Amino acid sequence: ETGVTQTPRHLVMGMTNKKSLKCEQHLGHNAMYWYKQSAKKPLELMFVYSLEERVENNSVPSRFSPECPNSSHLFLHLHTLQPEDSALYLCASSQRGWGNEQFFGPGTRLTVL
Amino acid sequence: KQEVTQIPAALSVPEGENLVLNCSFTDSAIYNLQWFRQDPGKGLTSLLLIQSSQREQTSGRLNASLDKSSGRSTLYIAASQPGDSATYLCAVNSGYSTLTFGKGTMLLVSP
Repeated sequence: ETGVTQTPRHLVMGMTNKKSLKCEQHLGHNAMYWYKQSAKKPLELMFVYSLEERVENNSVPSRFSPECPNSSHLFLHLHTLQPEDSALYLCASSQRGWGNEQFFGPGTRLTVL
Repeated sequence: KQEVTQIPAALSVPEGENLVLNCSFTDSAIYNLQWFRQDPGKGLTSLLLIQSSQREQTSGRLNASLDKSSGRSTLYIAASQPGDSATYLCAVNSGYSTLTFGKGTMLLVSP
């Protein structure tokens, strides 16, 4: 595998389910990101992890819980989601620091019923 | 707060035309600007990255320019092809690992 990979690519879940999204980067980077892309809206940054510590959280609801066990892996744990959480969730990675280029994964298309 | 606007929201052209996509941003204190391509339901592919000290970058038929002082960037696509059909996103990096995206321009190139 090369670049940034995400699994699953598609996920359908009920509002009472608990699921997790996984991201893995093979680029030797030390910062990872979760973005949300909803219809008709710009990509929104959700979380930033640098050197496995969360450095930014853009006031995301607590039903989204990130985890970064090491610099290559990032998870987004989901529980009691709402239908409006249906979106494309994109993971990215970069070298830590100011203005470094980010590389994106293919995304997970999430549908909440 | 940085805001990014892309014009037009959608564009339809016949194959072979040269075209320009526009991006503007409100805060000129940026580190760099990236243009991405996104195919339907897919992730983002980075096309060009322009550092704040640069005026333009070229890759094949693509040329991106940056006028930081006026808060503008353009993406020029020469001799468009049906395979160029996608959504093009502009993003500015103006903080510590922070990208702000526009809503994108949806391009359709017809044969």
